[in-house]
Amino acid sequence: QLQLQESGPGLVKPSETLSLTCTVSGGSISSSSYYWGWIRQPPGKGLEWIGSIYYSGSTYYNPSLKSRVTISVDTSKNQFSLKLSSVTAADTAVYYCARRSRFVDVWGQGTTVTVSS
Amino acid sequence: QSALTQPRSVSGSPGQSVTISCTGTSSDVGGYNYVSWYQQHPGKAPKLMIYDVSKRPSGVPDRFSGSKSGNTASLTISGLQAEDEADYYCCSYAGSFDVVFGGGTKLTVL
Repeated sequence: QLQLQESGPGLVKPSETLSLTCTVSGGSISSSSYYWGWIRQPPGKGLEWIGSIYYSGSTYYNPSLKSRVTISVDTSKNQFSLKLSSVTAADTAVYYCARRSRFVDVWGQGTTVTVSS
Repeated sequence: QSALTQPRSVSGSPGQSVTISCTGTSSDVGGYNYVSWYQQHPGKAPKLMIYDVSKRPSGVPDRFSGSKSGNTASLTISGLQAEDEADYYCCSYAGSFDVVFGGGTKLTVL
């Protein structure tokens, strides 16, 4: 059974870069049928799609975050990563990694990232 | 890209039916039959309940159903049960390999 696990610092200082990694187990990230993405949820608020990547490296970003987001993939490690630059308190959220095709069918458990000095 | 519009809250008594709407535009909900719905309990990751407008993944009770008309999709939960109390989010493909979520609806079972 496919599982996704987020990892990375839980606390990031304002203006710095948030970096998270998602490790895929129980299946290959190189599957041609799926995209791999990041979704976030600020405290008490709704879900926001950040962006996604295909195993080939093609990326697709939410226009509202595009200038600050980089998603990359490492097929040798079966991992994909998120970098969000110049963070502010508004970037404090639970960050989920996920697998999607026409819909998101597998979610990571989520990791809380707090932006604070 | 704007979030899809959902009512902030809905409620119903056990055994009753409730419907949650999700309104977008012709660029997302109205343009594709790729609407999905997710259930989220507090502190948990979302769970897929409906995909491709009206299809149910294995294991999801048939009390959950989905539909779409024009730019508005709907999730109907019949025979409400206490465990259905949760937040519900719609999601639509929006072209250019992008997706957009709704703002979420809190379902209260009275």
